[in-house]
Amino acid sequence: GAVVSQHPSWVICKSGTSVKIECRSLDFQATTMFWYRQFPKQSLMLMATSNEGSKATYEQGVEKDKFLINHASLTLSTLTVTSAHPEDSSFYICSARAAGARSTDTQYFGPGTRLTVL
Amino acid sequence: TQLLEQSPQFLSIQEGENLTVYCNSSSVFSSLQWYRQEPGEGPVLLVTVVTGGEVKKLKRLTFQFGDARKDSSLHITAAQPGDTGLYLCAGGRTGTASKLTFGTGTRLQVTL
Repeated sequence: GAVVSQHPSWVICKSGTSVKIECRSLDFQATTMFWYRQFPKQSLMLMATSNEGSKATYEQGVEKDKFLINHASLTLSTLTVTSAHPEDSSFYICSARAAGARSTDTQYFGPGTRLTVL
Repeated sequence: TQLLEQSPQFLSIQEGENLTVYCNSSSVFSSLQWYRQEPGEGPVLLVTVVTGGEVKKLKRLTFQFGDARKDSSLHITAAQPGDTGLYLCAGGRTGTASKLTFGTGTRLQVTL
């Protein structure tokens, strides 16, 4: 149980285009999902917290107009990288916390999406 | 600002050796989690510790949460090539909407 999927697993796009990444909790409902980015050989950096039915909360330094997050249902959150540029190339990972879970409970991570912007 | 510092950053050892990875912070955390991540994949949870001084064992892996809940360690006994990966600690705080702060990471390579 507690499986999180991401789609696509990798994507290559041209500079200036927008890319949408989906994060789904497959067998549980997630009121809260998190989006991270990870550069090569580095740790995960939290980008934003996504709550179902409300606006996402972005971490300091993350442009909300560039990284659009939508959490329209209890099993799906999407991250859209708008007008992507080569510096946006990274490994994007989502995680989900089960509805009703305590603050110390587990986040379940997706397999990640590798974005390459040419 | 990286709140959780891990050491060492990189470790290359031979099969059968023991090792310890440290995760240190000046901040107090309500929970501390350890993950292992392989290239091109998401992190996989190994353990969660929530009580100061808590020790948890998972086969050859021993995790300890510091008494003051500011630090943690991961000890691997008789390392195997399958233990190779990026080890990440992550701290959580109550009242922060379950956000996790990830450590800087320790890349472990175990060779035959």
